[in-house]
Amino acid sequence: DSGVTQTPKHLITATGQRVTLRCSPRSGDLSVYWYQQSLDQGLQFLIHYYNGEERAKGNILERFSAQQFPDLHSELNLSSLELGDSALYFCASSVTTGVSYNEQFFGPGTRLTVL
Amino acid sequence: AQSVAQPEDQVNVAEGNPLTVKCTYSVSGNPYLFWYVQYPNRGLQFLLKYITGDNLVKGSYGFEAEFNKSQTSFHLKKPSALVSDSALYFCAVRDTTYGQNFVFGPGTRLSVLP
Repeated sequence: DSGVTQTPKHLITATGQRVTLRCSPRSGDLSVYWYQQSLDQGLQFLIHYYNGEERAKGNILERFSAQQFPDLHSELNLSSLELGDSALYFCASSVTTGVSYNEQFFGPGTRLTVL
Repeated sequence: AQSVAQPEDQVNVAEGNPLTVKCTYSVSGNPYLFWYVQYPNRGLQFLLKYITGDNLVKGSYGFEAEFNKSQTSFHLKKPSALVSDSALYFCAVRDTTYGQNFVFGPGTRLSVLP
């Protein structure tokens, strides 16, 4: 158990809908990263938050957004969903940012299926 | 840009034999390299990392990795494979140029046959 929690575990929805994925980092970790894992794209970095502020964006679509709240949990919002958004979404946390040798701890993921 | 290659989609090895999962990287600056393992329906678990120093890094569950700067490689190894080692293995490099996120390789599926 990494100490990172994600809810829900599974999410099934229809095209055009909007969903919210939630992540609680390990106690004491200020950085939260979101990744998408799909069969064709592999593991792709989406976005990074540190202590409530957005720090970096990766391959995140404009239909997707995220935020990190004062209690450090984070939410990833996916809207106008398309079939191709079906994937496993991971959240990872680390103690801080700017320290390249720290490992990240991954949650169990949320499997999103768009029908 | 940072990138990671894992040249083998699948590696099969007999239980008790040594295993190697290959990884090569391309980075600007110092490489910070990591190995993660993913079991079915689970998140990624950290195995080991190379930051600096000794080229042979020891990690969890008996795994080790050898850093080779001239060949830009970071191969994962284990002297004696277990059936329970069967999983998906990811090599990753830290993107030190921008967001401190990981750049992952495509993954290698390891199957250890009894």
